[in-house]
Amino acid sequence: EVQLVESGGDLIQPGGSLRLSCAASGFTVSTNYMSWVRQAPGKGLEWVSLIYSGGDTYYADSVKGRFTISRDISKNTLYLQMNSLRADDTALYYCARGRDGYNFFDPWGQGTLVTV
Amino acid sequence: DIVMTQSPDSLNVSLGERATINCKSSQSVLYNSNNKNYLAWYQQKTGQPPKLLIYWASTRESGVPDRFSGSGSGTDFTLTISSLQAEDVAVYYCQQYYTNPPTFGQGTKLEIK
Repeated sequence: EVQLVESGGDLIQPGGSLRLSCAASGFTVSTNYMSWVRQAPGKGLEWVSLIYSGGDTYYADSVKGRFTISRDISKNTLYLQMNSLRADDTALYYCARGRDGYNFFDPWGQGTLVTV
Repeated sequence: DIVMTQSPDSLNVSLGERATINCKSSQSVLYNSNNKNYLAWYQQKTGQPPKLLIYWASTRESGVPDRFSGSGSGTDFTLTISSLQAEDVAVYYCQQYYTNPPTFGQGTKLEIK
């Protein structure tokens, strides 16, 4: 079964750092496009960051220079290092796989909550 | 960035009736070389992650009931639920994947009348 499980969310002070993890099963993270998408409480979906299978990375302007996406091939896990956190980073953070080599997303994890 | 605008923001439909949600992109998401529209639809029920319903504007994801259909091309798209069921209560999002960054509509909340 293809599955994603996020962890690492926490209550953190403004200016602090946090690393989110997304463990994948049923497929290989490094051969897929992988994204982080967030959802502020009661709000819509906001794409945050993307790592292509070749390793290129992209970021939303709102997090550029503060967040870093990466992956560990041996652990089949995706990460999001979040620095200089601000109150408006408060959200449920989902990881999601880009399907079939494109950036529409399936599956999604259950999300991990970051409160700043 | 491509801006995705959905209408309406909320919708109340009776059980068994048709529900229609619109999505407009600020520029075309039709890639001429393959004639595909880079547009997806998701369903998000309360307390759950989004679920992929439709991609390539009209391709239904495996396991999605056939009462869900997607249509449109270029900049204007529609998600139609032909006969609303109670389990369809959710927020629906469109998303373009034509270019980075991928962008979502603001969501349409669908409720039972």
